[in-house]
Amino acid sequence: AQSVTQLGSHVSVSEGALVLLRCNYSSSVPPYLFWYVQYPNQGLQLLLKYTSAATLVKGINGFEAEFKKSETSFHLTKPSAHMSDAAEYFCAVSDVKTSYDKVIFGPGTSLSVIP
Amino acid sequence: EAQVTQNPRYLITVTGKKLTVTCSQNMNHEYMSWYRQDPGLGLRQIYYSMNVEVTDKGDVPEGYKVSRKEKRNFPLILESPSPNQTSLYFCASSHSSWTGDLYEQYFGPGTRLTVT
Repeated sequence: AQSVTQLGSHVSVSEGALVLLRCNYSSSVPPYLFWYVQYPNQGLQLLLKYTSAATLVKGINGFEAEFKKSETSFHLTKPSAHMSDAAEYFCAVSDVKTSYDKVIFGPGTSLSVIP
Repeated sequence: EAQVTQNPRYLITVTGKKLTVTCSQNMNHEYMSWYRQDPGLGLRQIYYSMNVEVTDKGDVPEGYKVSRKEKRNFPLILESPSPNQTSLYFCASSHSSWTGDLYEQYFGPGTRLTVT
């Protein structure tokens, strides 16, 4: 079955520093990939998604992610962290082997931004 | 305003007392889904629905029921809640073509359930 791993349950960066949140998936078939953000006491909202078009995907709030098939990775980056980026980030993948309908989420990475 | 609403937002109940968490979306989405969020486990899918009267189990369906009688509503039913169902629950919806594309999911604000 498809699985998603996110390296680092907590990541701290200084304001203005590079943000790098890691995501790896297990499928040998390129799936659909998503990054969602969850601000405190809110539901999730989509940051960006990869659907087999361009491998570098730009999302909202200055985030982008690069799909690397050889590494089965979809890491999320932002050049300069802002205080408002502090949130929980979830990588998700559609399970194309069994069903496009099923979306599997990673365990999440909590991002802290230090002033 | 396009949105997914859930009610109640907070619920404390006792073991065995049947409860329903409602979910409604106003975007005419075909696909709806229920997730539970637990620390360190991310979101796990409970049930999902591709359209009216079409539902299927997710990863953790035990102890839950759903129904999809109308396109906009997708209630989650706990017939006999137990303490291990204490969690944060999210409803989500999206467009979904029958060819399999799963578009962006829109999430509700969450329902925090405590079962004592």
